[in-house]
Amino acid sequence: KAGVTQTPRYLIKTRGQQVTLSCSPISGHRSVSWYQQTPGQGLQFLFEYFSETQRNKGNFPGRFSGRQFSNSRSEMNVSTLELGDSALYLCASSLGAGDDNEQFFGPGTRLTVL
Amino acid sequence: AQSVTQPDIHITVSEGASLELRCNYSYGATPYLFWYVQSPGQGLQLLLKYFSGDTLVQGIKGFEAEFKRSQSSFNLRKPSVHWSDAAEYFCAVGAGGGSQGNLIFGKGTKLSVKP
Repeated sequence: KAGVTQTPRYLIKTRGQQVTLSCSPISGHRSVSWYQQTPGQGLQFLFEYFSETQRNKGNFPGRFSGRQFSNSRSEMNVSTLELGDSALYLCASSLGAGDDNEQFFGPGTRLTVL
Repeated sequence: AQSVTQPDIHITVSEGASLELRCNYSYGATPYLFWYVQSPGQGLQLLLKYFSGDTLVQGIKGFEAEFKRSQSSFNLRKPSVHWSDAAEYFCAVGAGGGSQGNLIFGKGTKLSVKP
């Protein structure tokens, strides 16, 4: 069974641009979460989606948004990029949204903002 | 507010030696606790988790962790480290809401293994 797929793996953008990252969960998984990983702040939760509905949202500005499609694939969008948005963005999927559902992480998308 | 502290940023151990990585958490109720490992260029892999019950939990790759409520700790241990264990280790607590999808992570401990 294929794992969580994230595209693209690497991305370079300039300040002010916007970017869309994609996550394809493991087949059959309906829950997708996004995290930002930076050397300074570590791993921070962005949002969680289950069956196309946002269940939880982290403490990030409105420039960060996401969505989930009917096939459980998810995208996150960052508008008006800032230098501080340079990070590894990780997506994780799980079968459901309950406490006993293990999350499986993708390899991440490395975003560099110049 | 919930938080996770991993006091050791970097640890170096010799191959074959025992390992203990420390994790302290702050959480109002019974926490859901996790340890993840991240190898360079890779995503996170779940090593083990604690929800309730036996406070000593076994995980993959020979790791175990012990939940101590009185000390608000969930330390990760391995009796004999292998060179392939070199990676970064993250402790996390579930932020509640009945979901594993919203985790609060510690800053991580980088493990180096000497031959």
